[in-house]
Amino acid sequence: QVQLQQSGAELAKPGSSVKISCKASGYTFTSYYISWIKQTTGQGLEYIGYINTGSGGTNYNEKFKGKATLTVDKSSSTAFMQLSSLTPDDSAVYYCARKGARRYFDFWGPGTMVTVSS
Amino acid sequence: DIVMTQSPSSLAVSAGETVTINCKSSQSLLSSGNQKNYLAWYQQKPGQSPKLLIYLASTRESGVPDRFIGSGSGTDFTLTISSVQAEDLADYYCQQHYSYPLTFGSGTKLEIK
Repeated sequence: QVQLQQSGAELAKPGSSVKISCKASGYTFTSYYISWIKQTTGQGLEYIGYINTGSGGTNYNEKFKGKATLTVDKSSSTAFMQLSSLTPDDSAVYYCARKGARRYFDFWGPGTMVTVSS
Repeated sequence: DIVMTQSPSSLAVSAGETVTINCKSSQSLLSSGNQKNYLAWYQQKPGQSPKLLIYLASTRESGVPDRFIGSGSGTDFTLTISSVQAEDLADYYCQQHYSYPLTFGSGTKLEIK
């Protein structure tokens, strides 16, 4: 069955970076893109971007350009998202999700909580 | 960016009742090429990640009970849950999958009396 396993919760200091992972299993990794979505109580669900797991090509929401960097390791079926120059506004749960050509998300990871605090 | 507006923000119903959740987009989600509406619905139960219920406005994802019905076209869409059950306690979100950046509604919290 399709599974997306995400790395554990992160506690980071303002100005630092974190890199979270999303390991896929149960399907052909390169047949679907991996997207990342931010969830906060105040802002709800926000689309960050996606990575083409075959070519490594990316698409970012303008709001997250410069904040998020998406990469992929095909050999381990793992996608990564690095968040840089962290501020308290980056505190959120971050989900990876599988996305097909029609741009909806059919499987979601369990989420990774990132807390930014001094 | 396409703005998605959901209503109501919360509602409480008794088991067995029918629930209607509305979602309005700031631009049409109807593709002129294939006459399909690019609107999805998700269910997020407490402490869980979102789960896809419906895509293309009315196509139910595999395994989703048929009491979940999506309808609408253009800019106005509805998720109807008939004969609500206790297990339907959750937040519900709409998402336009018409154009980038993909955007979500602000959510509707469904409570069971």
